[in-house]
Amino acid sequence: EVQLVESGGGLVQPGRSLRLSCAASGFTFDDYAMHWVRQAPGKGLEWVSGISWNSGSIGYADSVKGRFTISRDNAKNSLYLQMNSLRAEDTALYYCAKDSSSGWAAVDYWGQGTLVTVSS
Amino acid sequence: DIQMTQSPSSLSASVGDRVTITCQASQDISNYLNWYQQKPGKAPKLLIYDASNLETGVPSRFSGSGSGTDFTFTISSLQPEDIATYYCQQYDNLALTFGGGTKVEIK
Repeated sequence: EVQLVESGGGLVQPGRSLRLSCAASGFTFDDYAMHWVRQAPGKGLEWVSGISWNSGSIGYADSVKGRFTISRDNAKNSLYLQMNSLRAEDTALYYCAKDSSSGWAAVDYWGQGTLVTVSS
Repeated sequence: DIQMTQSPSSLSASVGDRVTITCQASQDISNYLNWYQQKPGKAPKLLIYDASNLETGVPSRFSGSGSGTDFTFTISSLQPEDIATYYCQQYDNLALTFGGGTKVEIK
């Protein structure tokens, strides 16, 4: 059974940093691309960042480019999101998501999300 | 960047009705279009991939069509358990983009 378990969310002040982690199990992690997708309270889905199976291809939404960094450790079956210079508009539930391919395609599995609240 | 315009933003229909949602891309995306269902308090679920392919285990009342810039998602006979928000999503070089969502309610 595929499992994606996010951690690292919490309350943080504007301008500070936070690192999210996602522990993956139930599939061959290094065969698939992975993504972070967020959802602000009461709003729609927003793709944040994606990384290919071997970290050779990485993409970011314009809203986080230059502030967030995605990475993965295939030996540890883990995905990360380093979030710097956080803003109030980054407040959201952050989902770890598995792609159906080694590159960019469809998200076939989602975690339950970790909540990030940016507020003073 | 490719923009996805989804309509309507909400709809109300009766059980058994045919429900149609559209999604328009700002440029040609071939068939690189997926559809998701999100129920309140839950993570999204993939229903349709590559515009018209039904994900394993998804009921056949759900279907998708289209290519290029115009896409359609259909529920052939709305069921009470279909109450949810539906999103389209495109994928191109190093980015995913979601539509704004369509909230489906029972009349």
